[in-house]
Amino acid sequence: KAGVTQTPRYLIKTRGQQVTLSCSPISGHRSVSWYQQTPGQGLQFLFEYFSETQRNKGNFPGRFSGRQFSNSRSEMNVSTLELGDSALYLCASSAQGGVSYNEQFFGPGTRLTVL
Amino acid sequence: DQQVKQNSPSLSVQEGRISILNCDYTNSMFDYFLWYKKYPAEGPTFLISISSIKDKNEDGRFTVFLNKSAKHLSLHIVPSQPGDSAVYFCAALWAGSYQLTFGKGTKLSVIP
Repeated sequence: KAGVTQTPRYLIKTRGQQVTLSCSPISGHRSVSWYQQTPGQGLQFLFEYFSETQRNKGNFPGRFSGRQFSNSRSEMNVSTLELGDSALYLCASSAQGGVSYNEQFFGPGTRLTVL
Repeated sequence: DQQVKQNSPSLSVQEGRISILNCDYTNSMFDYFLWYKKYPAEGPTFLISISSIKDKNEDGRFTVFLNKSAKHLSLHIVPSQPGDSAVYFCAALWAGSYQLTFGKGTKLSVIP
């Protein structure tokens, strides 16, 4: 079974630009979560989608948005990039989410650098 | 407000000895806890979990202990191996929630 894939793996943008990151979950998984990892803050929850519905959202500004498609693939978008948005963005999929997170699988992440 | 805390950023242990990684939480609603391991340039991988109705869960060399009254959990690795060198994240959620709250991680170095 193929794992979680994220594209692109690396991205360099400048302040003020916007960026879209993509995540393809494991086949059959319907829950996709996004996390931001920075050295100072660790992994911080961005949002979680299940069957195209956002079920939970972390404490991030409205510049961070996401969506999920009918095939469970998910995208997240960051508009008006700031230097502080430089981070590793991780996507994770699981069958149902919630307490099935013991079967949550992470992708390798997208390394975003904002100059 | 950091609800899950890993107060030791790093830990060094000799190969063959026990590694103990600690995690504290403040939110009483959390009732499910997980540990993840992360190697550089890879996403975290699930290691072991524990429900709040238990105080211990064991899987091979890995054991997680939960002390609900102290809001504390720990991961024991016995014996430690060089391949265990990684960053370990503690995470928590409550039933009906779809949001995992992570600690900032502890970097474990197992010295041969």
